[in-house]
Amino acid sequence: QQQVKQSPQSLIVQKGGISIINCAYENTAFDYFPWYQQFPGKGPALLIAIRPDVSEKKEGRFTISFNKSAKQFSLHIMDSQPGDSATYFCAASYGNKLVFGAGTILRVKS
Amino acid sequence: DADVTQTPRNRITKTGKRIMLECSQTKGHDRMYWYRQDPGLGLRLIYYSFDVKDINKGEISDGYSVSRQAQAKFSLSLESAIPNQTALYFCATSPGQDNRGNQPQHFGDGTRLSIL
Repeated sequence: QQQVKQSPQSLIVQKGGISIINCAYENTAFDYFPWYQQFPGKGPALLIAIRPDVSEKKEGRFTISFNKSAKQFSLHIMDSQPGDSATYFCAASYGNKLVFGAGTILRVKS
Repeated sequence: DADVTQTPRNRITKTGKRIMLECSQTKGHDRMYWYRQDPGLGLRLIYYSFDVKDINKGEISDGYSVSRQAQAKFSLSLESAIPNQTALYFCATSPGQDNRGNQPQHFGDGTRLSIL
């Protein structure tokens, strides 16, 4: 049973477009929601994160939107670039332990 | 030099063999983790350790064991490998919560394990 459900599985976006990846969770004990970015042959790296007392967090071109009542959160990548092509994982944490979504493979076409 | 180093990077072995994957870190973090990554399933937690004397099972610990030899070293063992343990394995470290309120985990580059 996937505790964190992520969609879509894959995404193709034109350069300059907006990439949107969605996640949903069930366990209300989760208290920290990070997004990780993974390039081929590398381990995941923390991209941006949010806590449930905040509805939105922006860092550069990356924004997390968080809806606590719906138990959903999403990653928006503005002005998507070919260098953003990677696999993106949402995650949820309690007690400093992460539960990951299944991942989204993003391809940005130039 | 990488902060989190995993060895070996690739391993092919046969069913029934004992395998040890090693992880060492220079970040000085107390918390260490082992995950496996499978296509379509994301990363799943196998074991974690919050200090040298602390070992905890994760979501999928059956068939695996770990050893925390020092703050900097955390090894994962497959006592008798089976084909469905073929996966990409990652070690990670964490300082707990940092001064920005984040709980970052820093991953190694993984070990690709194939069991025939």
